[in-house]
Amino acid sequence: ETGVTQSPTHLIKTRGQQVTLRCSSQSGHNTVSWYQQALGQGPQFIFQYYREEENGRGNFPPRFSGLQFPNYSSELNVNALELDDSALYLCASSLGFQPKGETQYFGPGTRLLVL
Amino acid sequence: DQQVKQNSPSLSVQEGRISILNCDYTNSMFDYFLWYKKYPAEGPTFLISISSIKDKNEDGRFTVFLNKSAKHLSLHIVPSQPGDSAVYFCAARPANAGGTSYGKLTFGQGTILTVHP
Repeated sequence: ETGVTQSPTHLIKTRGQQVTLRCSSQSGHNTVSWYQQALGQGPQFIFQYYREEENGRGNFPPRFSGLQFPNYSSELNVNALELDDSALYLCASSLGFQPKGETQYFGPGTRLLVL
Repeated sequence: DQQVKQNSPSLSVQEGRISILNCDYTNSMFDYFLWYKKYPAEGPTFLISISSIKDKNEDGRFTVFLNKSAKHLSLHIVPSQPGDSAVYFCAARPANAGGTSYGKLTFGQGTILTVHP
């Protein structure tokens, strides 16, 4: 059983560019959540995908978008990057309707720096 | 609007002593609370949780206490070990948010715990 993996590990972009971050969920998990963790802060919920559909969204603008694929892996896309988008982006997978879905398994994150 | 707050950015304790990490919340709709531990260059890992129908949950060296009236929870680690040194996040989830709501967690800012040998 493999854990949650994310790619790339680090990324440097310039303001105005677009970025795509990737996440492979843990085997058997059908729900993926994305979080943004700014320096010195806790993770903030961006959105969640369940069986390829967005299921809930936090307080993030539409330039943050995502996808979930049939194998339950996921992408986070951010358009028109701003300096404040510099953060650690965490992906977490879980079982949506199973009792143990109350715990999530996080990947190591992608650190994005916007210059 | 910080709905979950960890007011102590850091905590330093001696090995073998008790570590107490605190968390306050403001949203009355939260009914499930979790603690996560995070090492550098790793994602947060689940530690322990508690439902609002309980006031205490214990798992080995870790105990979480919930005071609903005060909207306060705490994590006790006894005895503390150097390997417990990490960032600890408390998180909360609202009630009746549906089976796929488990991902919609609100996190505190984290507390850096350092356990000295």
